Amino acid sequence: GAGVSQSPSNKVTEKGKDVELRCDPISGHTALYWYRQSLGQGLEFLIYFQGNSAPDKSGLPSDRFSAERTGGSVSTLTIQRTQQEDSAVYLCASSLDAAAADTQYFGPGTRLTVL
Amino acid sequence: AQSVTQLGSHVSVSEGALVLLRCNYSSSVPPYLFWYVQYPNQGLQLLLKYTSAATLVKGINGFEAEFKKSETSFHLTKPSAHMSDAAEYFCAVSTAGDSSYKLIFGSGTRLLVRP
Repeated sequence: GAGVSQSPSNKVTEKGKDVELRCDPISGHTALYWYRQSLGQGLEFLIYFQGNSAPDKSGLPSDRFSAERTGGSVSTLTIQRTQQEDSAVYLCASSLDAAAADTQYFGPGTRLTVL
Repeated sequence: AQSVTQLGSHVSVSEGALVLLRCNYSSSVPPYLFWYVQYPNQGLQLLLKYTSAATLVKGINGFEAEFKKSETSFHLTKPSAHMSDAAEYFCAVSTAGDSSYKLIFGSGTRLLVRP
């Protein structure tokens, strides 16, 4: 079946612009996660959704970052007034349920470059 | 709080040699442990996971890992390296005590396989 998909695969933007990154999880998966992968910081958790609610936003680095999920499916991560330090690969993952033992399936990521 | 340490940012082996990638974890509650592999420009793919059943876990592509509580380790091994194993490998921990079940990743180990 289809895996997790993300769009766009690459995004180049200018400093100060807003960007939206999209994630389509595996159908039927109730839990959705966003992570960020950068050279300096490795793989970092950003936010977790269970259904349409986000019980854990503790990884969002600043109030310029926000995310939403609609219909228990698609999620959008929005970065406002982008900065060069936002350049990274943004990975989305989904799991069938929210449980520590559940496998998280990752998408291919969106590579964001802020000039 | 949980944490993961991966010793060796780069490991180089000859084709056909034993692969050993090290992972140590820190957790105040029983952990769930994962190994993921990332090929260039791709997302993360699950190799195997420990969920408190058998301590020796077998995964895909001939990899296995052994959970050793006394050593707080979950090292990844493969008896004979293949050129196609060249990739970056991430160890991760999750716990039932974390309400979001997010993955905490190590810094990764890049495996190089020499012909």
